[in-house]
Amino acid sequence: TAGITQAPTSQILAAGRSMTLRCTQDMRHNAMYWYRQDLGLGLRLIHYSNTAGTTGKGEVPDGYSVSRANTDDFPLTLASAVPSQTSVYFCASRGGYYNEQFFGPGTRLTVL
Amino acid sequence: AQSVTQLGSHVSVSEGALVLLRCNYSSSVPPYLFWYVQYPNQGLQLLLKYTSAATLVKGINGFEAEFKKSETSFHLTKPSAHMSDAAEYFCAVSGGPQGGSEKLVFGKGMKLTVNP
Repeated sequence: TAGITQAPTSQILAAGRSMTLRCTQDMRHNAMYWYRQDLGLGLRLIHYSNTAGTTGKGEVPDGYSVSRANTDDFPLTLASAVPSQTSVYFCASRGGYYNEQFFGPGTRLTVL
Repeated sequence: AQSVTQLGSHVSVSEGALVLLRCNYSSSVPPYLFWYVQYPNQGLQLLLKYTSAATLVKGINGFEAEFKKSETSFHLTKPSAHMSDAAEYFCAVSGGPQGGSEKLVFGKGMKLTVNP
């Protein structure tokens, strides 16, 4: 199975432009997450969704928005990118008996 | 609320030597604990998990971790390091059997270098 796919793999974006990072899972998990990974800071939660139609804010939500129209897709949108949003972004879903999280391969975003 | 502390950011060992990566947690409820591994330019992969059953947990690639409630620790070990173990390792905590497992809180990560 594919698990979680993310697109694009990497992107260079001009400051002020908008962009949507895509995330799709085929495991039928209800909960999905977006994290950003920065050197020395580990992974920080941006937004999450416990089920289709609901979303919530994580630790660092400012400048980002999400939607969850269906179970499989959880896109992350940057409305007006800033250089501080340069990071590696990981999408994850939660499943299994002990609620472990499964991660996608990541999107490397550079905002200039 | 939960939190995880991984002291230091980098560990270097020789091939064949013991690997010990430390993790201390704080949790207001009995926790679930996880170790994830991230190889260069890849996503995170679950290495092992503690779910309130056995305190000594065995994972993939010869790694294991022991849950010690009295020390609030969940250190990761491997008896003999291999070059392929070079990666970044993250400890994470969530609420456990009594609830609160919806979110994971990660440590800042530990980069493991294995020298030939």
